[in-house]
Amino acid sequence: ILNVEQSPQSLHVQEGDSTNFTCSFPSSNFYALHWYRWETAKSPEALFVMTLNGDEKKKGRISATLNTKEGYSYLYIKGSQPEDSATYLCAFKRSTGNQFYFGTGTSLTVIP
Amino acid sequence: DGGITQSPKYLFRKEGQNVTLSCEQNLNHDAMYWYRQDPGQGLRLIYYSQIVNDFQKGDIAEGYSVSREKKESFPLTVTSAQKNPTAFYLCASTQSSYNSPLHFGNGTRLTVT
Repeated sequence: ILNVEQSPQSLHVQEGDSTNFTCSFPSSNFYALHWYRWETAKSPEALFVMTLNGDEKKKGRISATLNTKEGYSYLYIKGSQPEDSATYLCAFKRSTGNQFYFGTGTSLTVIP
Repeated sequence: DGGITQSPKYLFRKEGQNVTLSCEQNLNHDAMYWYRQDPGQGLRLIYYSQIVNDFQKGDIAEGYSVSREKKESFPLTVTSAQKNPTAFYLCASTQSSYNSPLHFGNGTRLTVT
C-alpha cells in the first residue's frame, strides 16, 4: 500500500487569514497529483490536476504547487472565507497502474 | 446534467446478509472506482474497472465483489465475508486520460448490525 500523507490533519483559521497545507507522496513513478475539496454533505469536487514538476495552478483564491522530485504539493488559500470550510484531499497516481492513492485529508474550519 | 448517482444514501443490514450498493454514471466515463472511508482514514480503494467486463482488486477487496456489465453501471456487493462492513462508500468515475479528475457520487452509508 502506497503512503500519501497530508498535514496538518485539521486547521482552524479566522476569516481573512491565509493558510496552506501539505501533501507528501512517493517521488518515484510520478504520474499525477490531484486536489479535491469535500464539503460536508456533498461529494468531493476536483480543484486541480497537476502533472508536471514545478506546476502551479490557481483558481480564484486557491492555488497549488507541485514538486515531484521531492514528493510534495502545497495548497494555498488566500484570505480564507467561511465557505472555504471543507476537507481538502490530495490523491496521487503513479505511472504504473490506474489507482489513485488518497491522503487522509486536511479539515479546514474558517471562523467568521 | 451529467453525474454519478449512488443509491441508497443510507442502508441498514443485519450481519450475515449480502448487500449491493448501486453506482450509475451518465458521463460516458471509461473508468469507475469504489472507495471506502472509515473515521481517521483516507479513502481506500476496494475495486476499480477500466473497461466493461473487466475489473481489478484494490487494496481492500476482501469480502467485496463487483461487476461491470455496462459502461454506466458498477455495482458493489458487500458480502457476509467482509468483517467490518459498516462504513461510508464512495463511487467515482473518470475518463482514462492524462489529466482527467475523478467525479464522485454522494456516497452510501452502510450500517450492519
